[in-house]
Amino acid sequence: ETGVTQTPRHLVMGMTNKKSLKCEQHLGHNAMYWYKQSAKKPLELMFVYNFKEQTENNSVPSRFSPECPNSSHLFLHLHTLQPEDSALYLCASSQAASGGAGGELFFGEGSRLTVL
Amino acid sequence: AQSVTQLGSHVSVSEGALVLLRCNYSSSVPPYLFWYVQYPNQGLQLLLKYTSAATLVKGINGFEAEFKKSETSFHLTKPSAHMSDAAEYFCAVSATSGSARQLTFGSGTQLTVLP
Repeated sequence: ETGVTQTPRHLVMGMTNKKSLKCEQHLGHNAMYWYKQSAKKPLELMFVYNFKEQTENNSVPSRFSPECPNSSHLFLHLHTLQPEDSALYLCASSQAASGGAGGELFFGEGSRLTVL
Repeated sequence: AQSVTQLGSHVSVSEGALVLLRCNYSSSVPPYLFWYVQYPNQGLQLLLKYTSAATLVKGINGFEAEFKKSETSFHLTKPSAHMSDAAEYFCAVSATSGSARQLTFGSGTQLTVLP
């Protein structure tokens, strides 16, 4: 496999469910990101991990819980979500979170989340 | 602080016509600028980037963009549109030594190519 892989591609969950999104990168990068993409809104950066350490949390509600066990894997644990959390969640990676490669991000195809 | 404004959330062109997607940025320091493309049901893919070298930047699929400091613009162009260019295009700015985590994205422009 190459690039950035996200699973599942589609997820439907109730407000009381607990689920997780998974991201894996095969590019040898050291930084990984979660973005939220909602209709008619700019991409929202949620979390940044650099060398497995969380370096940014953009005021994301605690019902979203990230986990980065190593530089190649990133999870987003979801619990007690709200309908307004329905969106496309994109994972990305880069060589490093600061500097390096001119800031280019490599994105996965996204996980489409629907909260009922 | 940095920001990006994409003029026109929807642009339609005929196949073979010029594509022009507009992007204006605001940055207190020399910026790094990017254009990303998102095809349906896919993630974003880098089209091209400006990192303070040549002001005219060539990217993939025949796209190019010109950095104009005096106009704070980084418009994306392609001489002849192809049906496969239909997608959403995002301009992004990074104003801290190209740090990826400082990327700020515009709201996107949906490009429709008419036969």
